[in-house]
Amino acid sequence: DTAVSQTPKYLVTQMGNDKSIKCEQNLGHDTMYWYKQDSKKFLKIMFSYNNKELIINETVPNRFSPKSPDKAHLNLHINSLELGDSAVYFCASSQGVPGTEAFFGQGTRLTVV
Amino acid sequence: GQSLEQPSEVTAVEGAIVQINCTYQTSGFYGLSWYQQHDGGAPTFLSYNGLDGLEETGRFSSFLSRSDSYGYLLLQELQMKDSASYFCAVRPLNQGGKLIFGQGTELSVKP
Repeated sequence: DTAVSQTPKYLVTQMGNDKSIKCEQNLGHDTMYWYKQDSKKFLKIMFSYNNKELIINETVPNRFSPKSPDKAHLNLHINSLELGDSAVYFCASSQGVPGTEAFFGQGTRLTVV
Repeated sequence: GQSLEQPSEVTAVEGAIVQINCTYQTSGFYGLSWYQQHDGGAPTFLSYNGLDGLEETGRFSSFLSRSDSYGYLLLQELQMKDSASYFCAVRPLNQGGKLIFGQGTELSVKP
């Protein structure tokens, strides 16, 4: 049973399109995140949600809009995709308690052409 | 702000021991974590140091010295499957549980 699952695994789309990535965790964690990993493998936090409420937005363009319908789900919608949005997007969850590990989904490789 | 520095690449042979260092500048954090990521895979948790000192988990050990703003991951009895990227990360105080990652160290284990 996958702990953090995100779909799709691969996404190829044209500039200007709108796309969504879905994420679900079955660990009962109260905090979920979106991270972006660029071509140099640098992992950077984008958003953090705690019990469906946005608590961190790391100066991400407002073309990116996360939505958390409940604490087990965190989706990411991206409007007007740009070439620079090409990256691997990881969903993650944790209990939010310091020292507890974060569990990552398998990633969504987004390619904007 | 926070920043973490790691070597970009390390190469070692099977059976050897390798140490991956992480130096950081941060205003305050709960602890230092290490994550492993194989090509095409997800980051997976390896270890956590909340206090100064050494934590050992099987072939992997991790160390933290807050006074030196320094930590390391020690991998013993290297195996080919240990070839991966290794990231140190901190969880800043009162910032929603987010992790700040170093840029990663790519470890290549040769036969």
